Amino acid sequence: KQEVTQIPAALSVPEGENLVLNCSFTDSAIYNLQWFRQDPGKGLTSLLLIQSSQREQTSGRLNASLDKSSGRSTLYIAASQPGDSATYLCAVPEFNNAGNMLTFGGGTRLMVKP
Amino acid sequence: DAGVTQSPTHLIKTRGQQVTLRCSPISGHKSVSWYQQVLGQGPQFIFQYYEKEERGRGNFPDRFSARQFPNYSSELNVNALLLGDSALYLCASSARDPHHPRFMNTEAFFGQGTRLTVV
Repeated sequence: KQEVTQIPAALSVPEGENLVLNCSFTDSAIYNLQWFRQDPGKGLTSLLLIQSSQREQTSGRLNASLDKSSGRSTLYIAASQPGDSATYLCAVPEFNNAGNMLTFGGGTRLMVKP
Repeated sequence: DAGVTQSPTHLIKTRGQQVTLRCSPISGHKSVSWYQQVLGQGPQFIFQYYEKEERGRGNFPDRFSARQFPNYSSELNVNALLLGDSALYLCASSARDPHHPRFMNTEAFFGQGTRLTVV
């Protein structure tokens, strides 16, 4: 059974800092890995999806990397802004007896202080 | 084009009551999945439907049920509510059949969720 872990659970940084969020998974046989943003009490907004054959994906100030062999992904946020404050979740697709689903980490709650 | 829409946005129910949550997928998407997100945790898979057929069921009690309609919208029903059912319920839609070999590479799009509070 796939397990996804995110460290740290919470992070507070001053505006302008570059930061890294970590995601690890136990089964390296993944098809892809997706990073989501979630504002308090809201739904999930997809940020980046990295296919298993890729090592990196970039979107604006966000860069996600994937190392399947070590079971890790990182989300790099450059020049953080207060508007980046949110919870960031990573997820991998999993197929088991229950069906085809996304398995999520517990999230990293990010606060960027002005 | 509208994204995944869920209703209602917020809901307060009393223990023992029943609740129905609704989801409309993105136009053209035939697959709908439901997730439960308890405060401070990641979402957990509840159900998945494709063209009105159940394609997957997570580890939830029989008090939870769902169905999908011919227009691909879906309802999630929870009976005999418990305090522990308080959570954000998320709906996701996908374009492909979950049984399709490339489903695992199909991006899922989520709605804004329904916040259920059981008192």
